Amino acid sequence: EIVLTQSPGTLSLSPGERATLSCRASQSISSSYLAWYQQRPGQAPRLLIYGASSRATGIPDRFSGSGSGTDFTLTISRLEPEDFAVYYCQQYGSSPLYTFGQGTKLEIK
Amino acid sequence: QVQLQQWGAGLLKPSETLSLTCAVYGGSFSGYYWSWIRQPPGKGLEWIGEINHSGSTNYNPSLKSRVTISVDTSKNQFSLKLNSVTAADTAVYYCARGGPTMIRGVIRGAPGYYYYYMDVWGKGTTVTVSS
Repeated sequence: EIVLTQSPGTLSLSPGERATLSCRASQSISSSYLAWYQQRPGQAPRLLIYGASSRATGIPDRFSGSGSGTDFTLTISRLEPEDFAVYYCQQYGSSPLYTFGQGTKLEIK
Repeated sequence: QVQLQQWGAGLLKPSETLSLTCAVYGGSFSGYYWSWIRQPPGKGLEWIGEINHSGSTNYNPSLKSRVTISVDTSKNQFSLKLNSVTAADTAVYYCARGGPTMIRGVIRGAPGYYYYYMDVWGKGTTVTVSS
């Protein structure tokens, strides 16, 4: 099983700042297999990024994804108030087919 | 656009069977993978399993012995059953749409397939297991 480790666990920033979230896989994975989600309190997860760097439909361009192999990054260029939420990375593998990182909480400083 | 509406019993006793159903509205049902994911209180996401329109399933090995996912293509619905529940199964359960089973002649796992994600989610059903 491929394990995804996200860091930091909590990130405290102010609106307007840049956020950089990390997702590290326990073994190399195809970039095609890596996605990012945002989850606001009381809501279902929302797909942000797929294929490591492609934005999902309707996602603002302040969200970007990058990385390859074992190291992947989600960047939010200028934080808006609605961006403060929990972010999960997800990978597609063999067994189980999908696993998620433990999440990074982005909170207002 | 595609919407998922889910329902099922929210309070169970230990050893009972969890049963949830998810209905798909506003889009194609037959051409996609359909998943169940759960989230214990204050914790992260765990993928439970998936099904396609022909009834082919994949399950998380950690739950495989207790899980059954089924499909009713006549109603555009898919369902989750989890038997012998315990307090550890207390969670919000989500249904979600995965990638297409085939697109432009390319199937999942083949070169040129990029849809390894879940892009439409239900609102979630809170299931509590308590005696």
